[in-house]
Amino acid sequence: ELKVEQNPLFLSMQEGKNYTIYCNYSTTSDRLYWYRQDPGKSLESLFVLLSNGAVKQEGRLMASLDTKARLSTLHITAAVHDLSATYFCAVDVNGGSNYKLTFGKGTLLTVNP
Amino acid sequence: DGGITQSPKYLFRKEGQNVTLSCEQNLNHDAMYWYRQDPGQGLRLIYYSQIVNDFQKGDIAEGYSVSREKKESFPLTVTSAQKNPTAFYLCASTRGQWTGNTEAFFGQGTRLTVV
Repeated sequence: ELKVEQNPLFLSMQEGKNYTIYCNYSTTSDRLYWYRQDPGKSLESLFVLLSNGAVKQEGRLMASLDTKARLSTLHITAAVHDLSATYFCAVDVNGGSNYKLTFGKGTLLTVNP
Repeated sequence: DGGITQSPKYLFRKEGQNVTLSCEQNLNHDAMYWYRQDPGQGLRLIYYSQIVNDFQKGDIAEGYSVSREKKESFPLTVTSAQKNPTAFYLCASTRGQWTGNTEAFFGQGTRLTVV
């Protein structure tokens, strides 16, 4: 059974600082997705990573995928308050007739002034 | 505009009552999913469907039922057998896995409360 683990689960950081959120998964896959969720809202797609070595950047966020290590990172550069949210990674197990998207537990990010 | 529509946004259920949550998509996606989210928690998969007239149980299917009679629609019924249904329910859809990109698109969610 696929397991997706994020760490840390809670992250409090100061504005202007850098930090990385990690997403490990237990089964071979080359499709990984990052989502953002604001309180009381639905999930918004941030990044789609579809191959080993994929790197995507949007503003102060950068995501990468290492399929050999079964690891994705979400790097935050010079954090600002607007980045406060919960971030989820999700992995899609390739192949088979019953594939499904499995989510990590999420990382609650709080950016303090 | 293409997207996923969930309704209602808020739903109140009395003890012993069945309720149905609606999910409709016009993205022409093959696969659809139902997730449950409890406060401060991640997403747990209830049911999913990769094709019309077929669906599979997720991790927490007990007390729930679904149907997939049309590609666009994947309603979820919360039955009286679900003892603790108060939660935020999210519907999602993805392209088929054979496309190589199964990015999920989510509806706005339904917040179900037992009264």
